[in-house]
Amino acid sequence: DQQVKQNSPSLSVQEGRISILNCDYTNSMFDYFLWYKKYPAEGPTFLISISSIKDKNEDGRFTVFLNKSAKHLSLHIVPSQPGDSAVYFCAASPRAQKLVFGQGTRLTINP
Amino acid sequence: EPEVTQTPSHQVTQMGQEVILRCVPISNHLYFYWYRQILGQKVEFLVSFYNNEISEKSEIFDDQFSVERPDGSNFTLKIRSTKLEDSAMYFCASSVSSGQLYGYTFGSGTRLTVV
Repeated sequence: DQQVKQNSPSLSVQEGRISILNCDYTNSMFDYFLWYKKYPAEGPTFLISISSIKDKNEDGRFTVFLNKSAKHLSLHIVPSQPGDSAVYFCAASPRAQKLVFGQGTRLTINP
Repeated sequence: EPEVTQTPSHQVTQMGQEVILRCVPISNHLYFYWYRQILGQKVEFLVSFYNNEISEKSEIFDDQFSVERPDGSNFTLKIRSTKLEDSAMYFCASSVSSGQLYGYTFGSGTRLTVV
């Protein structure tokens, strides 16, 4: 089941620069998309979401972009900070209930 | 900040034994969920629960699994006869509504090891 894919298992970015995490999906029935951040030994923490009727949502340093025609979304973090180092999960929701997760991307912010 | 609390943090059990994983969702939340993550794999949906009944379940959630909200605060996942492949991190989550604009709040998880 590869309905939500994060093709980059890891990403390394310098502190202060922009981090861009990507996610692709296949199911046209998804109507909400979310990003979660996860530290070791903790549960996923909600970061930001976007509904399928929008193409951009911004919250502080985090912006999510949705390109429905390409079935692609991305998370931009700017400026990147050392505390942003974590695993980031893209998730999608059909009918606003369950979440379908991607495999995750491990982001490392280098000082 | 309100939290979803899961106990125990780690449980080791013998194959064939029953286990109960416990969760205390956020008090004003109405929707409850269980997910699991097998080591090195994706986080997978197991079940959602609303108004004292299961609203959706995945193929993983077979007859060996059950959920219950025994009182006004706890939400439990029972595995009747554990198998080796049930070894995973189990995450409980809750949300105030079914809409996803605000996401769920997840607990820190219970690591289940079946030996």
